[in-house]
Amino acid sequence: DVKVTQSSRYLVKRTGEKVFLECVQDMDHENMFWYRQDPGLGLRLIYFSYDVKMKEKGDIPEGYSVSREKKERFSLILESASTNQTSMYLCASSSLRTGAYNEQFFGPGTRLTVL
Amino acid sequence: LAKTTQPISMDSYEGQEVNITCSHNNIATNDYITWYQQFPSQGPRFIIQGYKTKVTNEVASLFIPADRKSSTLSLPRVSLSDTAVYYCLVVGSGAGSYQLTFGKGTKLSVIP
Repeated sequence: DVKVTQSSRYLVKRTGEKVFLECVQDMDHENMFWYRQDPGLGLRLIYFSYDVKMKEKGDIPEGYSVSREKKERFSLILESASTNQTSMYLCASSSLRTGAYNEQFFGPGTRLTVL
Repeated sequence: LAKTTQPISMDSYEGQEVNITCSHNNIATNDYITWYQQFPSQGPRFIIQGYKTKVTNEVASLFIPADRKSSTLSLPRVSLSDTAVYYCLVVGSGAGSYQLTFGKGTKLSVIP
């Protein structure tokens, strides 16, 4: 089974702190994604990566950056956390070999609270 | 960029067939339609995907009309364990980047 793990299930940070959210997948997938999920807004794509050191902006990249130094790991960085970044963050991965970005495998999510 | 629209919520009794429709008026030629299921405190899980006509697997069917401006997820004989949020996703490529547009989700409540 594909496994996508996220470093923390719950995280509490203070405004202005630098925050790292880590995601690791064990299926040698090329694509990795970061979403945030908020009530009434569904899932919104922050960034995705289709290869090591490659990244593309999603719908809401402002206030976030990402890093992909190894194929299995994709990090989301909040340079200076703000209260409006309090949310559930979901990481996902998918394989190019099955065509398009169709079947994504999601991690369990990290609920981040910024005080 | 294909925007998707789904009903916010639906109720159904156990054993009934449930149909959830997603509108995606601006779908592009190369876009695929995918549906995901999400339980509380979990990440979404892939259910089914399609490009046109009808696709069926062991858990659901996906109906896509010829104009592809909408799609319908059909869950046969739902049970209480099907209570979840269902997301419609249009996946496409263009202009040097990929667009992945999730709908806001339909919360399905199955009633005993």
